[in-house]
Amino acid sequence: NAGVTQTPKFQVLKTGQSMTLQCAQDMNHEYMSWYRQDPGMGLRLIHYSVGAGITDQGEVPNGYNVSRSTTEDFPLRLLSAAPSQTSVYFCASSSGRRTGAEAFFGQGTRLTVV
Amino acid sequence: AQSVAQPEDQVNVAEGNPLTVKCTYSVSGNPYLFWYVQYPNRGLQFLLKYITGDNLVKGSYGFEAEFNKSQTSFHLKKPSALVSDSALYFCASEGGYQKVTFGTGTKLQVIP
Repeated sequence: NAGVTQTPKFQVLKTGQSMTLQCAQDMNHEYMSWYRQDPGMGLRLIHYSVGAGITDQGEVPNGYNVSRSTTEDFPLRLLSAAPSQTSVYFCASSSGRRTGAEAFFGQGTRLTVV
Repeated sequence: AQSVAQPEDQVNVAEGNPLTVKCTYSVSGNPYLFWYVQYPNRGLQFLLKYITGDNLVKGSYGFEAEFNKSQTSFHLKKPSALVSDSALYFCASEGGYQKVTFGTGTKLQVIP
């Protein structure tokens, strides 16, 4: 089983460039989310989706866009990369809504903005 | 607003000794609490969760956690630490619409 697949694993961007981080899951999960992980700050929620066509902002949404056209895919777009967006990004999925279901994480995308 | 706190950035324990990684929570209503582990250059993996019921929850790899409502704590424990347990551990709580809030993480170092 593939689970949650993120691409690319590594990326270097120049300030001002845009890019899309891909996330796909094959578990038919309703809920998907994007987090960024920074040293000493744990994981912070960027955006999340409770189903196809429904997205909402998390704790740190500025500079990022998302869409959810299918159940499987939840891409994260950086509109104009900034050095402050240098981070490790994780996509996660889980089933249901407020069920206490555990999240499944991708292996992460390490992004450096220079 | 919900939050979890992990007061220790790092915990060192000798192999074979019991280990505890601390977590306290601030959640309105009934808390859904989780522990995840992250090995180097990997995503997070689910260890265990508390939803309701027995305050002692057992999870993967011999880990367990004790839910204490009066102390608002959910500490992760293992009776005998292994070197392979060395990793980054995250406590998390789930609020409405499955918005999950993570702690800042605790690095566990098991010394041979």
